[in-house]
Amino acid sequence: AQKITQTQPGMFVQEKEAVTLDCTYDTSDPSYGLFWYKQPSSGEMIFLIYQGSYDQQNATEGRYSLNFQKARKSANLVISASQLGDSAMYFCAMRDIYSGGGADGLTFGKGTHLIIQP
Amino acid sequence: EAEVAQSPRYKITEKSQAVAFWCDPISGHATLYWYRQILGQGPELLVQFQDESVVDDSQLPKDRFSAERLKGVDSTLKIQPAELGDSAMYLCASSLARQGVHEQYFGPGTRLTVT
Repeated sequence: AQKITQTQPGMFVQEKEAVTLDCTYDTSDPSYGLFWYKQPSSGEMIFLIYQGSYDQQNATEGRYSLNFQKARKSANLVISASQLGDSAMYFCAMRDIYSGGGADGLTFGKGTHLIIQP
Repeated sequence: EAEVAQSPRYKITEKSQAVAFWCDPISGHATLYWYRQILGQGPELLVQFQDESVVDDSQLPKDRFSAERLKGVDSTLKIQPAELGDSAMYLCASSLARQGVHEQYFGPGTRLTVT
């Protein structure tokens, strides 16, 4: 079974500062993917960034980067130069990448509510 | 840009009534997922389809929930009878394929309130 742990229920950050959202995971699957999603108050889940378990380099997408530490089972999201529009819920998720025919739905953490202050 | 469509966006129903949600995935996406998100929690998978076949419904409360994807395109999730604890956001997602690195694209969700 897979498990995602996000230990920060809420965070307040000043605009333009960098912010790190913590995520640890547990799985017995050798091949897995780690995802971060943003959920504004409107409710839609917006994909931000992906990291594969065999990727050698940390993923980056614009202002988003993923600090992947495989030995520590950690996949923290870093947002550089935060903006007011970054205020939202952020979810870390994972799934098996090659499940051999089995299910591959995402397993989500409980999320972190990020509030950017002007 | 192609999107996952869901309707209705909001639904209020009384307990013991039947309710249904509809999802139209991105064209060409073979895999479809239904998730339930209780307020303050992350989404949890209810059911996964590959084309018209169910891949995983282990977390679907089958005594009251049913899901179908008859032609392998759009899908319907039904609850009968609804209970107070079913109040949640119901999210549909689709993916191009099941294996490998394929992002899941989410729809706007249906927010259900059971009174």
